[in-house]
Amino acid sequence: DGGITQSPKYLFRKEGQNVTLSCEQNLNHDAMYWYRQDPGQGLRLIYYSQIVNDFQKGDIAEGYSVSREKKESFPLTVTSAQKNPTAFYLCASSITGGTGELFFGEGSRLTVL
Amino acid sequence: GESVGLHLPTLSVQEGDNSIINCAYSNSASDYFIWYKQESGKGPQFIIDIRSNMDKRQGQRVTVLLNKTVKHLSLQIAATQPGDSAVYFCAEPKGNYGQNFVFGPGTRLSVLP
Repeated sequence: DGGITQSPKYLFRKEGQNVTLSCEQNLNHDAMYWYRQDPGQGLRLIYYSQIVNDFQKGDIAEGYSVSREKKESFPLTVTSAQKNPTAFYLCASSITGGTGELFFGEGSRLTVL
Repeated sequence: GESVGLHLPTLSVQEGDNSIINCAYSNSASDYFIWYKQESGKGPQFIIDIRSNMDKRQGQRVTVLLNKTVKHLSLQIAATQPGDSAVYFCAEPKGNYGQNFVFGPGTRLSVLP
């Protein structure tokens, strides 16, 4: 079945370490997104990519980095520069020029120890 | 600026009753809105959408109402079931980011037996 796969589902990190969250989609969508979700808050956009080899910062890009070398993949690195990285991270994709509906993965929960 | 918010952070309803979840938005230029459902520990799932040239749209057991005069959306769930327990978000497009969306904090719906 087509969908978005995020891994790992749970991740623990020590302060000062970088971690990379994986996001793979087989929906043949051009656009991919990373959102952060904190308790009691709406989703906030970290980075998005509308096409391979191109990506733009979202509202809260500081302390994060991404790459888009393949259409199917959009990994997110949480760097040591991110001051409060403990959160639930959601990857999504959409059809460019479509209705705008976002298809989300199951999420990755990052905890900094 | 743009913002999407929800009137009630939590809502409890008896199984079989109808549920109404509200959402206020501030950008009168928004022409499209989506409702998402997020079950615990999972990514949001599309429920229903509505364009600004409509004031009502019905799906299976769900109805979305749009009142552009007061910039208000509501999601009505008929005959609420235990499986409807989740957090519900409304979202509107954020023009600067193409198909990116602004999400409200969500309303948690609890279905009582």
